Amino acid sequence: QLQLQESGPGLVKPSETLSLTCTVSGDSVSSRIYYWGWIRQPPGKGLEWIGSIYSGVTTYYNPSLKGRVTISTDTSKNQFSLRLSSVTAADTAVYYCTRDTGSGGTNDYWGQGTLVTVSS
Amino acid sequence: QSALTQPASVSGSPGQTVTISCTGTSSDVGAYNLVCWYQQHPGKAPKLIIYAVNNRPSGTSTRFSGSKSGNTASLTITGLQAEDEGDYYCSSHTRIPSPHVLFGGGTKLTVL
Repeated sequence: QLQLQESGPGLVKPSETLSLTCTVSGDSVSSRIYYWGWIRQPPGKGLEWIGSIYSGVTTYYNPSLKGRVTISTDTSKNQFSLRLSSVTAADTAVYYCTRDTGSGGTNDYWGQGTLVTVSS
Repeated sequence: QSALTQPASVSGSPGQTVTISCTGTSSDVGAYNLVCWYQQHPGKAPKLIIYAVNNRPSGTSTRFSGSKSGNTASLTITGLQAEDEGDYYCSSHTRIPSPHVLFGGGTKLTVL
């Protein structure tokens, strides 16, 4: 059974870089079938797609995040990571890691989500 | 403002049928048969219930169905049950200006 688990600091200061890791069990982040992605949800608001990575190399990002996002994989630990730079209070959200089947953003497995608050 | 437009709320009584719309443009919903629907209960992660417009993942009730006409996709829930209450989100692939995924703002379904 596939499981995804997010981890990382729950509090980040404005202007700093948010870093989260997703540990995958039951599948490989090196898979040439699936993509691995990040989606966030500000408190009380809707979902926002952040980006995804395929085969550890090819990345796709939300244009609205204007180059602040980097997604990468660590195949030795079967993990993938999110880095979001120059954060502001608007980046406060629950961050989910997901498995994407590769069919245009079909996210069939989700982690439980982790709340990251941006505050000084 | 979300890229895809959904009604903020819908409601229905047990046993009834409800439909949630998701309106995009000819660059996203209208261009690809890559619309998904997710169900989210409070405090939980979203769950995929429809993919590729009208396909159900294993485990999704047959009471849920999807369709698309032009730039608008729809999720229909028949035989409404109390457990269906929650938030529903649509998503679509787009390639403008680069490949990415758009979400709707979400619809709160209340079972009366």
